[in-house]
Amino acid sequence: GAGVSQSPRYKVAKRGQDVALRCDPISGHVSLFWYQQALGQGPEFLTYFQNEAQLDKSGLPSDRFFAERPEGSVSTLKIQRTQQEDSAVYLCASSWQRVAKNIQYFGAGTRLSVL
Amino acid sequence: GDSVTQMEGPVTLSEEAFLTINCTYTATGYPSLFWYVQYPGEGLQLLLKATKADDKGSNKGFEATYRKETTSFHLEKGSVQVSDSAVYFCARSSTGNQFYFGTGTSLTVIP
Repeated sequence: GAGVSQSPRYKVAKRGQDVALRCDPISGHVSLFWYQQALGQGPEFLTYFQNEAQLDKSGLPSDRFFAERPEGSVSTLKIQRTQQEDSAVYLCASSWQRVAKNIQYFGAGTRLSVL
Repeated sequence: GDSVTQMEGPVTLSEEAFLTINCTYTATGYPSLFWYVQYPGEGLQLLLKATKADDKGSNKGFEATYRKETTSFHLEKGSVQVSDSAVYFCARSSTGNQFYFGTGTSLTVIP
């Protein structure tokens, strides 16, 4: 596609439910990033993939968060046993270069609301 | 995060007014600097960037100059339009893999 695509755009989950958020990066982009954006804040880094390898997961807030990119293209961010504090917009970005200095292209995000 | 500090909003301007949104950063080394814009209901879009000291990024009438001596990257536009109403984020690259973003500045331009 022409840009980074994320689905669903909105997700409402009951506390304790598992959710899966999908990201389709720009075709051919090597690098993929997940960010979490709380209301009124800037995006905060969660994790980074280079092709299928997850090279940095230092930003994942707990072991309930898990991300994968098995074929080096589509990525899924999974949150287990969701809590209210997980409510945020989850942004995916991709870049065709391996180093983060290059431009990251962002999707529209998935807004997660945990009730 | 703490690595990028930008002017708090919201900012409300009349059409054709001059805009400045301040941004300062802390970093070791020489990061690349970016301004992203987020229109209502949309994702972040790159507005402009600068990769080294004294570089000036520009796009759509917006400008920002990479000032190493003051560790700043202030966003300016000489004459804002209603269509510029959005949230603006300053960001810097890191020696690792992530970008650090400021908290965003909401701009509303009234006719």
